[in-house]
Amino acid sequence: GQSLEQPSEVTAVEGAIVQINCTYQTSGFYGLSWYQQHDGGAPTFLSYNALDGLEETGRFSSFLSRSDSYGYLLLQELQMKDSASYFCAVRGGTGFQKLVFGTGTRLLVSP
Amino acid sequence: GAVVSQHPSRVICKSGTSVKIECRSLDFQATTMFWYRQFPKQSLMLMATSNEGSKATYEQGVEKDKFLINHASLTLSTLTVTSAHPEDSSFYICSAYHLAGGNNEQFFGPGTRLTVL
Repeated sequence: GQSLEQPSEVTAVEGAIVQINCTYQTSGFYGLSWYQQHDGGAPTFLSYNALDGLEETGRFSSFLSRSDSYGYLLLQELQMKDSASYFCAVRGGTGFQKLVFGTGTRLLVSP
Repeated sequence: GAVVSQHPSRVICKSGTSVKIECRSLDFQATTMFWYRQFPKQSLMLMATSNEGSKATYEQGVEKDKFLINHASLTLSTLTVTSAHPEDSSFYICSAYHLAGGNNEQFFGPGTRLTVL
């Protein structure tokens, strides 16, 4: 089977840095994606790692270690609007385009 | 950017009726779309892969006769929840892949909240 584990909730204050971890077990692997979802809204794409290492996109960075089946999303200079749920998702399994989502991490940013 | 729309955004129906949800890619063609279901405070669960011009591929445990999927064109996929029951109440989200910025990103529709009374 396939599983992706994330912490259920993380809290931080404005301006801080937070790291959301994701460990996965999948039968096939093409890459790890990260999505943000505000309550009642659609998931929005944040980043994608196909190879080991760090990808940086503005305040967000994502890291992947395929040998450890592990990745993380790093959010810097936190803002109140970053309060949302964050999901890691693996492309793989039986199809390149299919996404299997992690359990999700709810980030609460306080003033 | 790539935009995916869904209609309706919210629907309330009586138990036993059928509900159709539309998913459209507005500015690109999508040969493959995906349908997810999300219960409150839970993750997105893939229900099925919708393929233009062919039968949908359903995930294990998803009843294909209950969740009918039609992908009649390169920009439209529909999900019909037949004989809906209260346990089918959920947030249904579709998505489609679009090549953007060098990555094959999956773009999501805004979702449809279904409430079955």
